[in-house]
Formats: sequence, C-alpha cells, structure tokens
Amino acid sequence: NAGVMQNPRHLVRRRGQEARLRCSPMKGHSHVYWYRQLPEEGLKFMVYLQKENIIDESGMPKERFSAEFPKEGPSILRIQQVVRGDSAAYFCASSPRQEAGEKLFFGSGTQLSVL
Amino acid sequence: AQSVTQPDIHITVSEGASLELRCNYSYGATPYLFWYVQSPGQGLQLLLKYFSGDTLVQGIKGFEAEFKRSQSSFNLRKPSVHWSDAAEYFCATIIQGAQKLVFGQGTRLTINP
Repeated sequence: NAGVMQNPRHLVRRRGQEARLRCSPMKGHSHVYWYRQLPEEGLKFMVYLQKENIIDESGMPKERFSAEFPKEGPSILRIQQVVRGDSAAYFCASSPRQEAGEKLFFGSGTQLSVL
Repeated sequence: AQSVTQPDIHITVSEGASLELRCNYSYGATPYLFWYVQSPGQGLQLLLKYFSGDTLVQGIKGFEAEFKRSQSSFNLRKPSVHWSDAAEYFCATIIQGAQKLVFGQGTRLTINP
C-alpha cells in the first residue's frame, strides 16, 4: 500500500511562471490537506479538501494560489505567477476521514525553488 | 489562540546520551498534542500523541512524552539516542473545532558520535 505520493520532489520555476504540485493520497483516503514549510519555520496549514470540495482554505493566500481535488486523479496545488517568497517545501497529507492528527499521513513534500 | 512553542531551535547530544525536547502549549482546555519527526528529505512521521488519560505517552522508536498541565508542557524524551535519531522534531496541536494542525517552529537534533 503506497503512501502519500507527491510529485515532483523538486520544482524550479522562474518568477512569473506557474507551479503545479500534485498529491496522490493513500488508497482509500478521501481527505487531503496541504501545508507549507518556509525556511527555518514549522509547517503552516494551507487548505483542506475532500473529493471535489474545498472544506477549509483559511490558510491559503488570497491571490495566485488555488487547490483542487477532483473526483478522479490527484489533488493539485496551483501557484500562478510565482514570486521568490513562494520558495518553500509544500507537504500534502491524507486521511481516511475528517481527521487532523492520528490518522494523518504525510507525503515527502515538493521543494519549490523560485529563481 | 491555540499554539505550541518549541524554545530550542537546535540541540546537539552525544550518541547514547539522554534527550529531552521541549514543547509548551497555549490553550485553556486539554489540548490534543502530537510529536512528529522529519528526517532529511522526508515527510513527517508521527511519533506519539496525547488526547487524554495517562499523561505519560509511549511512542515509536523508543520515544515518550509527558503531558504536564501545571507547566503547559509536552516534552519529548528518549533515554539513549542513536545516530539515526538526527532529524527535525515538531510539536503540534489540533485547532479545536477545525481539522488542522498547528506546528511549533521545530527543533533540529544533531547527534555527535
């Protein structure tokens, strides 16, 4: 049973380009969470999604960031017109139900570098 | 607002020595508390959790943590560290009524041979 899969592991973008980060949850998990880890900081919650629904996006920047979790396929975190401050590690986590802690499994993250 | 604080950004201990990583929480009621470990290039792995009951919690890899309400603390301990324990350790709590974790800043653990 594969764990939470994130790709790419590393993504390099120039300022102004778009970044697409993908997250495939564990089999049987229908709840996905995205967290961002800025350098020298802990992880910060961004968004919580269920299949085809955004449940809580209180941690998402108001502009340029969006997330989706379609009925089929992985969850996508999209960052438009990236800036240097977007450089961070982006982690996805999944759970089988509405669950923030015990049954939450994290992926290995995508390291985004903006040049 | 609910939060956790890890006062130590970086700790170095010798292999075989004991370890204690500090975590302080801010919440009026009993919080849900977690310790995660992040090895280089890896995602987070849950070491242990506290929801209620016995205040001494046993986790994986020989770690334990003790919930102390009087000190608002949830410190992580290990009696004898191994070189493979070198990693970043995060304390976290759940925001009550919301399905999201709030993490501390993290403590980087270095092991001297």
